[in-house]
Amino acid sequence: GNSVTQMEGPVTLSEEAFLTINCTYTATGYPSLFWYVQYPGEGLQLLLKATKADDKGSNKGFEATYRKETTSFHLEKGSVQVSDSAVYFCALSANTGNQFYFGTGTSLTVIP
Amino acid sequence: DTAVSQTPKYLVTQMGNDKSIKCEQNLGHDTMYWYKQDSKKFLKIMFSYNNKELIINETVPNRFSPKSPDKAHLNLHINSLELGDSAVYFCASSQKSGGWTEAFFGQGTRLTVV
Repeated sequence: GNSVTQMEGPVTLSEEAFLTINCTYTATGYPSLFWYVQYPGEGLQLLLKATKADDKGSNKGFEATYRKETTSFHLEKGSVQVSDSAVYFCALSANTGNQFYFGTGTSLTVIP
Repeated sequence: DTAVSQTPKYLVTQMGNDKSIKCEQNLGHDTMYWYKQDSKKFLKIMFSYNNKELIINETVPNRFSPKSPDKAHLNLHINSLELGDSAVYFCASSQKSGGWTEAFFGQGTRLTVV
């Protein structure tokens, strides 16, 4: 079956620290992979995506690389800002299905 | 111009009442979804519609009934509301073109049952 596992939070970092949020997946077929961000009181917004192995998605200083050999899609940012405080969700969509599978979300708080 | 809009944003109601949440997307997508997000932020698929046809109906009480009058709209009606229904409900849409595009989400409806 299809599933996503991401690291538990909450994560608290100081401004300008390096961020990694781990995400691994199980999927049938060839999934597309996504990172979504949810700011307080808002809906989910797409942060970045990758549709095939070795693709790197990037946006707003965040990056993630689709690693088929390790079934991973870890999210990284070199220097976080207070405005990055949010909940981050890793997700996949599989060609065989009609839904998106989400990880449990990782809450990030960045302190000045 | 909002891509996926749902109304209302907040809904406070008493146990036993019946309520509806409406969702509309102007992206021309064929597939729409309802997700429930609990207090721990966990997202659970409830329903998925493709071109007005029900595709996914997860283990959801039959008090929840989705209705898709056309492919741009997917409404959620809830009968006999219970305290445990309190959550944030998200509507989303996506399109299959080769693989799946990303899902676009509405702002959510925070339902509080008292």
